[in-house]
Amino acid sequence: DIVMTQAPLSVSVTPGESASISCRSSKSLLHSNGITYVYWYLQKPGKSPQLLIYRMSNLASGVPDRFSGSGSETDFTLKISRVEAEDVGIYYCGQLLENPLTFGSGTKLEIK
Amino acid sequence: EVQLVESGGGLVQPGRSLKLSCLASGFTFSNYGMNWIRQAPGKGLEWVASISSSSSYIYYADTVKGRFTISRDNAKNTLYLQMTSLRSEDTALYYCASRTTDYWGQGVMVTVSS
Repeated sequence: DIVMTQAPLSVSVTPGESASISCRSSKSLLHSNGITYVYWYLQKPGKSPQLLIYRMSNLASGVPDRFSGSGSETDFTLKISRVEAEDVGIYYCGQLLENPLTFGSGTKLEIK
Repeated sequence: EVQLVESGGGLVQPGRSLKLSCLASGFTFSNYGMNWIRQAPGKGLEWVASISSSSSYIYYADTVKGRFTISRDNAKNTLYLQMTSLRSEDTALYYCASRTTDYWGQGVMVTVSS
C-alpha cells in the first residue's frame, strides 16, 4: 500500500499570513499518462471532507485561489495564502493512483 | 446541486449485519465510479471499497474483504454497502463519495457494540 505522510501535525496561523502543509508518498504518484494523482481535502469541524486540489495542482470547483498545490513525484505541498478564519479544520492529502486509496493522517490548522 | 445522502446506519451487535445506502442526485450517477470511505471517531480517513460506473470493477480494502459488499443500482441512483460479520473496529462514520472524490455525502454513523 502507498503510505502518505503529512507534516506538521498541526499549524497555528495568524489571519492574513500563509501556511504550508507537506505530504510525502512512499511511491511515485506520477502515472505514465503524465498526471500526478495526489489530492488535498479540508474537513471543517463537524463536516464532511471537501476536495480542494486534484491531480496535484488543479483547484477544485468553488475553492478560493488562495489555495494552491505543487510538488514532484513523491513530495507535495499545499499552500494557503492569506489564511482566513474559515480555513480552520483538518487538511488531508490522499492518493488516487491505485487501490487501496490511502490518505495522510491529517494536519490541523488553527487560527492564532 | 449535487447531493449524496447516506442512510441505514445505527447501533448493531458484533457479528450482525447492516446495509448502507447512498442516494445520489444533481449529477449523472451512472457515469461515475463511487467509493465508500470511513472515519473512525477522532481518526483519519480510510478507504473501504469502490465500484466502477457499470459495476464491472469492484475493489475492497483488506480490512473488509469477504465481509462487505459494494453494489449499485443506476436506475435508482443508489449506492449500497452490505456489511456482515461486523466488528467493533468497523465503528465509524461512513461516507459515500464519487470515485475522484469530488462529491461527498454527509456520512452515516455505524456503531458496533454489544
